[in-house]
Amino acid sequence: KQEVTQIPAALSVPEGENLVLNCSFTDSAIYNLQWFRQDPGKGLTSLLLIQSSQREQTSGRLNASLDKSSGRSTLYIAASQPGDSATYLCVTDSWGKLQFGAGTQVVVTP
Amino acid sequence: EAQVTQNPRYLITVTGKKLTVTCSQNMNHEYMSWYRQDPGLGLRQIYYSMNVEVTDKGDVPEGYKVSRKEKRNFPLILESPSPNQTSLYFCASSLGDRDHNEQFFGPGTRLTVL
Repeated sequence: KQEVTQIPAALSVPEGENLVLNCSFTDSAIYNLQWFRQDPGKGLTSLLLIQSSQREQTSGRLNASLDKSSGRSTLYIAASQPGDSATYLCVTDSWGKLQFGAGTQVVVTP
Repeated sequence: EAQVTQNPRYLITVTGKKLTVTCSQNMNHEYMSWYRQDPGLGLRQIYYSMNVEVTDKGDVPEGYKVSRKEKRNFPLILESPSPNQTSLYFCASSLGDRDHNEQFFGPGTRLTVL
């Protein structure tokens, strides 16, 4: 069974610092990996989707990499802002069966 | 507007009283799925559907039923709810295409079973 681990569980940084969030998974037979953010008590907002054939995806200040062979993905957020405070989730998709990591709770202090 | 909708958004009920949470998407997506989110356990998949009339169990299907009679709707049925089904529930949909399978989530349904 796929297991998805996110490290660290929580992270607090001052505004302007770069964020590095890690996600590891045990089964490399995935079709894609997706990163979401979730604000307290709210739904999930999609950030980036990386297909299994891709190595990375970028959107604005966000960049996500994927190394299937080692079972790892990293989400980079450049020049963090207080509005980036949220929980970040990575999700693997093994053709219909989605497995979530427990998330990294990020606090960006002004 | 392309979206996944869930109803109701909040529900308080009593043990044993059958309930249905509806999920609808307007993006002509093939794939739909249900999740529950609990503190300390994260999000776990309950059921998913790759297409109309095709459903499969996720990690925590016990106590739940689903049906996929039409493409746009995927209701979650709790025939005899129990307090351990108190949770935040999310529905999601995607194209179901291997190369274009971004998941879109509904706003969530907070269920309390007394």
